[in-house]
Amino acid sequence: DAGITQSPRHKVTETGTPVTLRCHQTENHRYMYWYRQDPGHGLRLIHYSYGVKDTDKGEVSDGYSVSRSKTEDFLLTLESATSSQTSVYFCAISDPSVGNQPQHFGDGTRLSIL
Amino acid sequence: AQSVTQLGSHVSVSEGALVLLRCNYSSSVPPYLFWYVQYPNQGLQLLLKYTTGATLVKGINGFEAEFKKSETSFHLTKPSAHMSDAAEYFCAVIPNNAGNMLTFGGGTRLMVKP
Repeated sequence: DAGITQSPRHKVTETGTPVTLRCHQTENHRYMYWYRQDPGHGLRLIHYSYGVKDTDKGEVSDGYSVSRSKTEDFLLTLESATSSQTSVYFCAISDPSVGNQPQHFGDGTRLSIL
Repeated sequence: AQSVTQLGSHVSVSEGALVLLRCNYSSSVPPYLFWYVQYPNQGLQLLLKYTTGATLVKGINGFEAEFKKSETSFHLTKPSAHMSDAAEYFCAVIPNNAGNMLTFGGGTRLMVKP
């Protein structure tokens, strides 16, 4: 399996609290992505990174921020969590040398905001 | 905006029967096309992809898909279903062959009856 680790795997928190999800990769891939998965919507891109300190917004970026200070780590932060952000979050990685799409996904973080 | 439509959120087949999962996209320019599979409590795995060249693409686990430009379709098939094929399947596109950002369909859950 590709070396992607998401932490935590499950989290329950309250509305208004800050939440940070971590994605760690051991593949040295250039691109990293954060998606959320909701029933009937498939996966939707939140933010992505194309290098250290290089990030950009995806389709559903409102309410989320990201940071990438090292190649291997990509953090997703919900500054003030809302119930609409209850979802399953997936990290993915890819490298242009082997194709231009997310090739490997983590096992997901199930986030519940009460 | 690019969209991906998967007809049928749930498909049920008998073991040994043909599997057909439908995917249509909207684009004036043929995009790159992908199928992913997701087993319970796991991330997505790439089944197969079409970028250029031969329109019939073979993937892992005996699946294949055919790109039909005239029908803007990329349906996924497998001649004989196995119980282990029960999972959720996602069609995805990279619009206009640009960048790394996938647009996903809503997913189809495949159930295989013994």
